[in-house]
Amino acid sequence: AQTVTQSQPEMSVQEAETVTLSCTYDTSESDYYLFWYKQPPSRQMILVIRQEAYKQQNATENRFSVNFQKAAKSFSLKISDSQLGDAAMYFCAYYVNAGGTSYGKLTFGQGTILTVHP
Amino acid sequence: GAGVSQSPSNKVTEKGKDVELRCDPISGHTALYWYRQSLGQGLEFLIYFQGNSAPDKSGLPSDRFSAERTGGSVSTLTIQRTQQEDSAVYLCASSPWVGRRNYGYTFGSGTRLTVV
Repeated sequence: AQTVTQSQPEMSVQEAETVTLSCTYDTSESDYYLFWYKQPPSRQMILVIRQEAYKQQNATENRFSVNFQKAAKSFSLKISDSQLGDAAMYFCAYYVNAGGTSYGKLTFGQGTILTVHP
Repeated sequence: GAGVSQSPSNKVTEKGKDVELRCDPISGHTALYWYRQSLGQGLEFLIYFQGNSAPDKSGLPSDRFSAERTGGSVSTLTIQRTQQEDSAVYLCASSPWVGRRNYGYTFGSGTRLTVV
């Protein structure tokens, strides 16, 4: 079964500091995409960053960057210069480009609650 | 529309009643997905539409759950004879389909269903 594991149920960080959220996944496929989503109390899932597995270079989006270790099947999210608005539940997810009836389905981890202290 | 719209935002229903949850995806997005999120949990896949057809219904938890999509646009998730364990946030998402590349979904704000 394809799985995504987020081993940190909760994390906290001081405002302006850096925090890293962990994610590991399990797939035997070679063509896949990885995502980090943020879910604030408003419930809406917001795409934070996306990584294509065949790309060696780690994706970055402003203060957000990933450390993608393909061999280790690890996909951690680093948030630099943390802001109060970063407080949310963060979900790691992946999509396998393998065709078949599961085509298009994102598999999510259980989430990490991030608290930002002023 | 500009985003994925879901209605109602909140729904309280009595056990045994039927409910309908609506999702209006971003215009032009051919793929539509329903997920369920129980309290404090991750997202559980329910069903996926490509256009009006549903190639993957594997996540529907029982035959009390059904979904349809019409005109390649609006989708309705129906839960018959609701049970307390159906209480959850039901999230809808849509995405464009550009060949085999996945650019991520756009989610709605969800419907919080409470069965009392």
